Amino acid sequence: AQSVTQLDSQVPVFEEAPVELRCNYSSSVSVYLFWYVQYPNQGLQLLLKYLSGSTLVKGINGFEAEFNKSQTSFHLRKPSVHISDTAEYFCAVSDDGTDKLIFGTGTRLQVFP
Amino acid sequence: GAVVSQHPSRVICKSGTSVKIECRSLDFQATTMFWYRQFPKQSLMLMATSNEGSKATYEQGVEKDKFLINHASLTLSTLTVTSAHPEDSSFYICSARGRPGKEPQHFGDGTRLSIL
Repeated sequence: AQSVTQLDSQVPVFEEAPVELRCNYSSSVSVYLFWYVQYPNQGLQLLLKYLSGSTLVKGINGFEAEFNKSQTSFHLRKPSVHISDTAEYFCAVSDDGTDKLIFGTGTRLQVFP
Repeated sequence: GAVVSQHPSRVICKSGTSVKIECRSLDFQATTMFWYRQFPKQSLMLMATSNEGSKATYEQGVEKDKFLINHASLTLSTLTVTSAHPEDSSFYICSARGRPGKEPQHFGDGTRLSIL
């Protein structure tokens, strides 16, 4: 079965600094990869997705992620964070042909002034 | 973009009460809806998958008689927590998707359920 590992439970960073949130998944023939953001007491909002094609995916709010098949990774990056980026970030994977999303345990990004 | 509305956002009720949570897709037809449970500072755990007009598929360890799911139309699914107890207190989130496969899931804002 698929699994997703988010190695960092918390990432503190100062405003305007770059950030990378790490995500690794268990290998599969074909996967779809997603990053979601969750603000306090809210549902999840899709940041970006990788289905096929270019390995560099650009999403909303200035975020991007790179699919690396050899390293089975899908790390999320932003060159300059804002206070408003403080939230919980979840990486998720689904197998080609299945309906289910498997979520990582989440990374709490906290941006300090 | 695709909007999913979840209602109510917060419920506080006595032990033994049954609670119904609604999940609606507002601007698309959701062939599949998903129900998740999220404990504090933890990830989302899939409880069940429901397809319009058919019985829900529950994940292992989820009591189908405890968590009743109905997906009667392409825009509405409901989760009923029957005879709720304090251990059922949690954050419940629904999501909906139009076409299977590559279509991403769109999430509601969640329901905070507190059983006293």
